[in-house]
Amino acid sequence: EAGVVQSPRYKIIEKKQPVAFWCNPISGHNTLYWYRQNLGQGPELLIRYENEEAVDDSQLPKDRFSAERLKGVDSTLKIQPAELGDSAVYLCASSGDGATNEKLFFGSGTQLSVL
Amino acid sequence: SQQGEEDPQALSIQEGENATMNCSYKTSINNLQWYRQNSGRGLVHLILIRSNEREKHSGRLRVTLDTSKKSSSLLITASRAADTASYFCATDAGGYSTLTFGKGTMLLVSP
Repeated sequence: EAGVVQSPRYKIIEKKQPVAFWCNPISGHNTLYWYRQNLGQGPELLIRYENEEAVDDSQLPKDRFSAERLKGVDSTLKIQPAELGDSAVYLCASSGDGATNEKLFFGSGTQLSVL
Repeated sequence: SQQGEEDPQALSIQEGENATMNCSYKTSINNLQWYRQNSGRGLVHLILIRSNEREKHSGRLRVTLDTSKKSSSLLITASRAADTASYFCATDAGGYSTLTFGKGTMLLVSP
């Protein structure tokens, strides 16, 4: 069974440029999460989807961040414009079998460097 | 915001020794989970313990939960070099909340 797939693996951009990350969750998993992980810290939630609906986006900086999950499968996270402080690893995770918040499966993440 | 706080921040041991990591949290929980993260990789789920459980085992892992003290511990017995990683506790407060991770403990197991 394929795991959570994220791309790109690395991204280097200059500040004020836009950037997008893509995530394909495990087949059949209804819940999808985007987390941000700063160096030496644990992951912090940006947004959680139940199917197509964003059910928790309270920590998403909505002035520059946006996300979508069309058809309740793949998801894209966008930052526009990027700032120096956005440098971090962006992790996508999914969970399923009706067990939201239990046993999250993570992708390898996208490491973003904003110069 | 991060609810869990792991202790110690870093731990260095020799192969064959046991490693113990602790996690403290602030609010009531539905369950507590432990994850491992190898350098440059995503997190991998290790074990889940529910609020009505006190101890759980999985292979070389032993997790305890003390809800009165709002704390949990993860014991890895007979450590191997391959156990070198960062370990995170994560709490689920239930309802519509989302899993909240601590800052992690970095474990180094030397051959």
